[in-house]
Formats: sequence, C-alpha cells, structure tokens
Amino acid sequence: EVQLVESGGGLVQSGGSLRLSCAASGFTFSSYWMHWVRQGPGKGLVWVSVIKSDEGDTSYADSVKGRFTISRDNAKSTMYLQMNSLRAEDTAVYYCARGAYRSGPKGTLDYWGQGILVTVSS
Amino acid sequence: EIVLTQSPATLSLSPGERATLPCRASQSISNYLAWYQQKPGQAPRLLIHDASNRATGIPARFSGSGSGTDFTLTISSLEPEDFAVYYCQQRSIWPLTFGGGTKVEIK
Repeated sequence: EVQLVESGGGLVQSGGSLRLSCAASGFTFSSYWMHWVRQGPGKGLVWVSVIKSDEGDTSYADSVKGRFTISRDNAKSTMYLQMNSLRAEDTAVYYCARGAYRSGPKGTLDYWGQGILVTVSS
Repeated sequence: EIVLTQSPATLSLSPGERATLPCRASQSISNYLAWYQQKPGQAPRLLIHDASNRATGIPARFSGSGSGTDFTLTISSLEPEDFAVYYCQQRSIWPLTFGGGTKVEIK
C-alpha cells in the first residue's frame, strides 16, 4: 500500500524557517517524481514544487522560488521541503504527492499524503 | 499560466441525481487534465487522469470527458459519500495549476 506521511510542520514567525519531510513507503520511491502542493485555509490547491526521481531536476512555483528548496534522499525514501524567509501567505496545509509513473515532471498526482499544517505568524 | 475555471462554485443536488461539473481552461491543454475529490479534513484523491481515464479503484459512476479547453466530470448517480469538493488540474503547461473547485452539497 502506498503511504506518504508528512512531518515537520508547526508555528513559525514571519521570516523564519521550517523543514518539512515526506516519508514514503509501499512503492519504489526512487522511480517517481515527487511534488509538494499546498492549500491555504479555506482555499484551493496550489502546486509548489517538484523533484525528479534521481534527486536531480527541480522546479518551483514563482511564489516560492528563491525561498524554498526541494530535495530528496532515495536511500531513506524521504523528500524534503526547506522553507526559508516564510511569510504569512505561506500559511497552509502542505501535501506531498507522487507523480504518476513515467509521466515526467508534469505528472498527474496519483497519491497524496494527509498533509501537514504550517502557520506563519506576522 | 493556465487558468482553470470551475463554475458553479457550489452544486446543490440530491442523492441519486446526476452531477455535471465543468472545467474550462484559458488555452488548449489537449487532454492533460485530471480530476480530484477532496472531503473535509482529507487529502485530495485522484479520480480521473488524462481527461477520461478512471484511476485505480474509482467507481464507474465517475466519468470524465473533453479535450482542448472544455472538460466535464460526471457523476451518474450521486451516492452519499460523493458529496465533497472536486478540483480539476492541468499538466500541459508549467506551472501545474488547479481550478478553484466545485463543492457538491446535499440539497
């Protein structure tokens, strides 16, 4: 069974940093592109970032470019999102999601974690 | 950036009724569209990929259609567990974008 479990969220002050983790199990993690998607309180879904299966290529939404860094450790089947210079508008539930097999960076998101709340206080 | 428009924002229907949820793209995205269902406090769940292909384990009452700029998610007969928010998402052009969602509520 595919499982994605996020951790590392919490309350942080504006300008602060936080690192999210996404622990994967139930599939060959190193074969899949992985994404982060966020959802502000009462709002819709917004794609944040993606990383290639081999820990190589990455891409970011303009709203987080230069502040967030996505990475992964295939030996630990874990993906990360380092979030720096946090702003109030970054407050959201952050989901990790798997890109469908062989769909490349612009993949359908076929499995999602339960999400982790990040609250940035101003 | 591709803008996906989902209107209406809310559909009020009764169990057993047919639900038709539209999604319109600001430019052609071929068939690179997915649909997700989200219930309160839960993660989104993939229903349909590439416009018309049901994901693994999704009941046959869910179907998707369309190409280019106009897409539709149809639920043939609403079950109690289908009342939720539905999002469309395009994967044709960076960045990946989602529609604003349509909430299907019990009438």
